[in-house]
Amino acid sequence: DQQVKQNSPSLSVQEGRISILNCDYTNSMFDYFLWYKKYPAEGPTFLISISSIKDKNEDGRFTVFLNKSAKHLSLHIVPSQPGDSAVYFCAASGDTNAGKSTFGDGTTLTVKP
Amino acid sequence: GAGVSQSPSNKVTEKGKDVELRCDPISGHTALYWYRQRLGQGLEFLIYFQGNSAPDKSGLPSDRFSAERTGESVSTLTIQRTQQEDSAVYLCASSLTSGINGELFFGEGSRLTVL
Repeated sequence: DQQVKQNSPSLSVQEGRISILNCDYTNSMFDYFLWYKKYPAEGPTFLISISSIKDKNEDGRFTVFLNKSAKHLSLHIVPSQPGDSAVYFCAASGDTNAGKSTFGDGTTLTVKP
Repeated sequence: GAGVSQSPSNKVTEKGKDVELRCDPISGHTALYWYRQRLGQGLEFLIYFQGNSAPDKSGLPSDRFSAERTGESVSTLTIQRTQQEDSAVYLCASSLTSGINGELFFGEGSRLTVL
C-alpha cells in the first residue's frame, strides 16, 4: 500500500497564477515532510520542508501547508513562472533521517507563458 | 565539479549480467544514499551510508543488490544477475549530515535498461 500519494500526475497553470500541488499520506508516524523539484535528466533538488509541529512554512513564492488531521499537505507556488515547470515530489519521514523518506510518485507541473 | 557525480549516465545490459554503478559524493558529505526510481514512480530508498558506520541496507529489494563505500568517498551499487524489473534510474544523494534537516544533494542518476 502506497503511504505517500500524489493523486494528480499532472497540473497545468498559466504564468502568474497559483499552482497547488497536493499530497496525502497514510502513516500517522510521519512527522516531517519535504518537497523536491526535478527537471528532466537532473537529480531532484530540495525545495521546502515542514515539521508536524507546524501547519505552514513559507519560503519566497513557495508555501507548504500541513493538515495533520486530514493527513494532507499541499505546496502552493505564487506567482507561478515557466521555470517552475518540473516534476514535484512529496516525501514524508518518520525517522530522524530525512534521506530515508517515503516519496510520492510526483506531479508534473507545466506553467504556460 | 562540486556536485554529486554518477556514472555511467546510461547503461544497457542483457538479462543475467552484473552491473556496477558509481557515485562520487560532494566532498565532506558524510552521508550517502542510493535510490531507485522506476518509470512514473517516486524514489525508493535502497541503502544509506554514514561515515564508517555499518550501512543501513533496509531498502535493498533482494540479495542481488549490494553496495559499498570506501570511507566518506566513492560508492558503488552492484546489481547481480540483472532482471528486466531492475530497469530504472538509480539516483545517488549525499548530505553533510544525516539528521532530519540534512539537505540531500542528488546526482543526475544512472539509467539502467535490462533487455
